Amino acid sequence: EDKVVQSPLSLVVHEGDTVTLNCSYEVTNFRSLLWYKQEKKAPTFLFMLTSSGIEKKSGRLSSILDKKELSSILNITATQTGDSAIYLCAVEADRGSTLGRLYFGRGTQLTVWP
Amino acid sequence: GAGVSQSPSNKVTEKGKDVELRCDPISGHTALYWYRQSLGQGLEFLIYFQGNSAPDKSGLPSDRFSAERTGGSVSTLTIQRTQQEDSAVYLCASSLRTGRYGYTFGSGTRLTVV
Repeated sequence: EDKVVQSPLSLVVHEGDTVTLNCSYEVTNFRSLLWYKQEKKAPTFLFMLTSSGIEKKSGRLSSILDKKELSSILNITATQTGDSAIYLCAVEADRGSTLGRLYFGRGTQLTVWP
Repeated sequence: GAGVSQSPSNKVTEKGKDVELRCDPISGHTALYWYRQSLGQGLEFLIYFQGNSAPDKSGLPSDRFSAERTGGSVSTLTIQRTQQEDSAVYLCASSLRTGRYGYTFGSGTRLTVV
């Protein structure tokens, strides 16, 4: 059965710390890996990764995919209280030319204390 | 519309009643998904619509759950004879046919069955 595993499940840090969130997957016909941030209800898109070894960056957030190890990490540097959220990893299975179904991990609950 | 719209945002219902949850996707998005998120859990796939193709219903947990999408736009998720274990946040998402930026999620419907 296809699955996505995230670690740690929860993390508490202080402002200014750097954090690394992990995601590993076992999904048949892997197509892409996506990271989302969920603060209240609606997850918001962060990154989509398809190629191994290419880092994607957005401000203090960055992510990289390792297809050999079937994993990805999400780094957040100089954390702020506004980074407190659940970070979700999802893996898309290939459906040809259309966006396929996403398999989600349980998420990492990040809490940043001032 | 500008985003994915879901209604109602909150619904409290008595056990055994039927409920309908509505999702209005982003205009032009051909793919529409329903996910369920129980407390402390990841997103559980329910159903996926892509254009005029037959929907992928493989995630529906029981025959009490059904969904339809009329005219390739608005979707309704129906839960018949609700049970307490149906209590969760029901999230809808939509994407373009080839979703370069993943899905866009709605704010969800929080369903509480009492």
